[in-house]
Amino acid sequence: QKEVEQDPGPLSVPEGAIVSLNCTYSNSAFQYFMWYRQYSRKGPELLMYTYSSGNKEDGRFTAQVDKSSKYISLFIRDSQPSDSATYLCAPSSGTYKYIFGTGTRLKVLA
Amino acid sequence: GAGVSQSPSNKVTEKGKDVELRCDPISGHTALYWYRQSLGQGLEFLIYFQGNSAPDKSGLPSDRFSAERTGGSVSTLTIQRTQQEDSAVYLCASRVTSASYEQYFGPGTRLTVT
Repeated sequence: QKEVEQDPGPLSVPEGAIVSLNCTYSNSAFQYFMWYRQYSRKGPELLMYTYSSGNKEDGRFTAQVDKSSKYISLFIRDSQPSDSATYLCAPSSGTYKYIFGTGTRLKVLA
Repeated sequence: GAGVSQSPSNKVTEKGKDVELRCDPISGHTALYWYRQSLGQGLEFLIYFQGNSAPDKSGLPSDRFSAERTGGSVSTLTIQRTQQEDSAVYLCASRVTSASYEQYFGPGTRLTVT
């Protein structure tokens, strides 16, 4: 079993839809949870950062962590064509190592 | 300010040749990572440098891979006797310090071994 599992997609949604992107993980030591966004032919960029369980909101984006079920989610409200990218989850136990998921490719159709 | 830069952006090489990939991290960032991203795979950790500490080389897939970081700044990833399975995008990232959490990624070097 991989430490981090993520559906590769692609996930296609119409503009304005609410998008739910998810990861599961197996290591209960993970305390820090990142979401990175990667546009085609670019390096990933940090989108959201959450510590431990709970929700964090930033504009149209909400990150949610449920440590009891080892499940992390990223919600995008009012999705835009510019949100079309690959989204990678990256949990960490607090050391310098982050375990990246394979990424979910999202397409928002205008 | 300037972000992380990598060169070359694309590299096509013949099987068996050696290649060098370069990373210029953000000035003042003490931590530097190399990752490999293959189609359908996540980012695979290769090596980590932090200041003057011994690097964590635990992710290097074979002894054909090596990396160095000179003067705490520029880093070079070298792949000797390249194989077709080495074809991937090689990404470099830097962090301000080991205590910070955000990694800043470069655009990557797309390596194709023919």
